[in-house]
Amino acid sequence: DQQVKQNSPSLSVQEGRISILNCDYTNSMFDYFLWYKKYPAEGPTFLISISSIKDKNEDGRFTVFLNKSAKHLSLHIVPSQPGDSAVYFCAASVDSGNTPLVFGKGTRLSVIA
Amino acid sequence: KAGVTQTPRYLIKTRGQQVTLSCSPISGHRSVSWYQQTPGQGLQFLFEYFSETQRNKGNFPGRFSGRQFSNSRSEMNVSTLELGDSALYLCASSLANQETQYFGPGTRLLVL
Repeated sequence: DQQVKQNSPSLSVQEGRISILNCDYTNSMFDYFLWYKKYPAEGPTFLISISSIKDKNEDGRFTVFLNKSAKHLSLHIVPSQPGDSAVYFCAASVDSGNTPLVFGKGTRLSVIA
Repeated sequence: KAGVTQTPRYLIKTRGQQVTLSCSPISGHRSVSWYQQTPGQGLQFLFEYFSETQRNKGNFPGRFSGRQFSNSRSEMNVSTLELGDSALYLCASSLANQETQYFGPGTRLLVL
């Protein structure tokens, strides 16, 4: 049973526009959420996180929104750049990180110049 | 500060063999986690070590094992390799808990 789901395997966006990557989860005990970016032949790179006590966290061009009632989070990238083309993983944990991260299967973002 | 390093980067083995992968965490990080990434399954948690003790374990068979040394470096071992063990094995380190993990580049294992 997949507890963290990224239902869009891929997404294409024009350079300069907004990229919105979505993630749904089923475990209501999750209280910490992260986004990672992965380029080919590299390990995932931490992007941004959010605790369940917040509904929004922003870091430069990246903003994560959390809707606890819908068990849904999204990553917004504005403006999108060609260098953002990568696979994005959503991850979640219980007990503020004291338990293993559970990852989604990833969404491949392609930013077209 | 140097990042997480993993050796070797690539490995080819045959069925039935065993393999040992190594991970050196970021200096000062005491928690090391291992993941298996396959095209269909995403990142799946194998186990986590903290202060030389296995603190968490995922749903993998006993053929997958690991250990952590006093300097926080970690190794994982897979015995009696199967074709399905072909994957990218990722190691991640964090300060104490698994809140924000930093990943190494991975070891790509191919089992023939």
